[in-house]
Order: sequence, then structure tokens, then C-alpha cells
Amino acid sequence: GAGVSQSPSNKVTEKGKDVELRCDPISGHTALYWYRQSLGQGLEFLIYFQGNSAPDKSGLPSDRFSAERTGGSVSTLTIQRTQQEDSAVYLCASSPGNLGETQYFGPGTRLLVL
Amino acid sequence: GNSVTQMEGPVTLSEEAFLTINCTYTATGYPSLFWYVQYPGEGLQLLLKATKADDKGSNKGFEATYRKETTSFHLEKGSVQVSDSAVYFCALANFGNEKLTFGTGTRLTIIP
Repeated sequence: GAGVSQSPSNKVTEKGKDVELRCDPISGHTALYWYRQSLGQGLEFLIYFQGNSAPDKSGLPSDRFSAERTGGSVSTLTIQRTQQEDSAVYLCASSPGNLGETQYFGPGTRLLVL
Repeated sequence: GNSVTQMEGPVTLSEEAFLTINCTYTATGYPSLFWYVQYPGEGLQLLLKATKADDKGSNKGFEATYRKETTSFHLEKGSVQVSDSAVYFCALANFGNEKLTFGTGTRLTIIP
């Protein structure tokens, strides 16, 4: 596709349930990033992939959060046992992978935990 | 660690006014600096960037100059339009550590 796509666009879940968020990066982009945008915390980095490896997971807020990337393309962010404080917009971005390259953002997944 | 401090909003201006949104940063080494914009109902998109000291990024009439001596990257536009109404984010990324560190965002509203 022309840009980064994310699904679902909106997700409502009950506290304690697991959720999976998907990101399709721009074709050929080797670097992929997950960020979270919330009212209280602004825009926060979560995890960075280069190919299928994650050299920087420093932003994951707890062990309930995990992410994987397969085939150097699609990535899935999984949140287990969701809590109300996980409610946020989850943004995915990709870049060609060369140092200093621009990151292109997807439209985000809005997650609401009731 | 890295941090970005930007002007608190919201900012409301009349059409054709001059705009400045201040941004200062703290970082090790020589980061790249960015301004991202989020229009209503849309995703984040890059507005402009600068990768080394004294570089000027520009796009859509907006400009920002990378000032290492003052650790600043202020966003300016000489004459704003209603269509510039959006949330603006200043951000940095360190060479070799590509994650973006964002400021808190500044909501700009332009009234006709």
C-alpha cells in the first residue's frame, strides 16, 4: 500500500482481556516502531524493530506488553490482561532503516479498556 | 537522557499572523530534529527536519533552524492560514538510536 496501515482502527475491550494490534509498514521499510499517545503521557516510544529483531524494547511499560515482527514486514503488538491505564492511541511508524531517515506514521489504533 | 520541551498551548491566532512555537531539547551527541504535525482526524506527518547544526528545515511556509548553541529548534511561519490549525510536535532522534523523543505538543487554532 501507499502508507502505513493499522488495524483495527478502534478497539473496545474489558479489563483483563488480551488484545492484538496490527501494523503493516510501507513496503521495503526495514525499520518499524511502536509508540503510544495518551492524554497523560503524550507520545511515548514503546519498541523498535530492525528487520525481525527488536534492538530497543526499552519503552514497553510492563511485561504485559510484547511485540513481534515476522518476515520483516507485519508487526503485532500484544497487550495481555489489559488495564484501564492502557487506554490510548497506539501508533506504528516505519522508515527505510538508514540512520536519520524520516519515520512515516500510520493512523493509529484507538484502544479503550473498560 | 533525551528530552524535548515545547511551548505550552493552546495557541490561538488570527489568520495572517506571525507564528512562533518554541522548542528546546536536551540530548547527548548530535541529534536530528523534527517537527511533526497532526491535523484534525489525521495521523502524524512530518512537517520538516534538520540533521545538523545551523541547518534550516522548511515546508509549507514553515521554517525551523537547528541552533546547537541554544539547543533550540523553534518553528516559525510568517503568515498563518486557517488550514494550519493542528497539533504540532517537536521531536528528536539520536544518531544510532532512532527512536523519536517527542515534546508534549502544541495545539494551534487559526481564526478567520
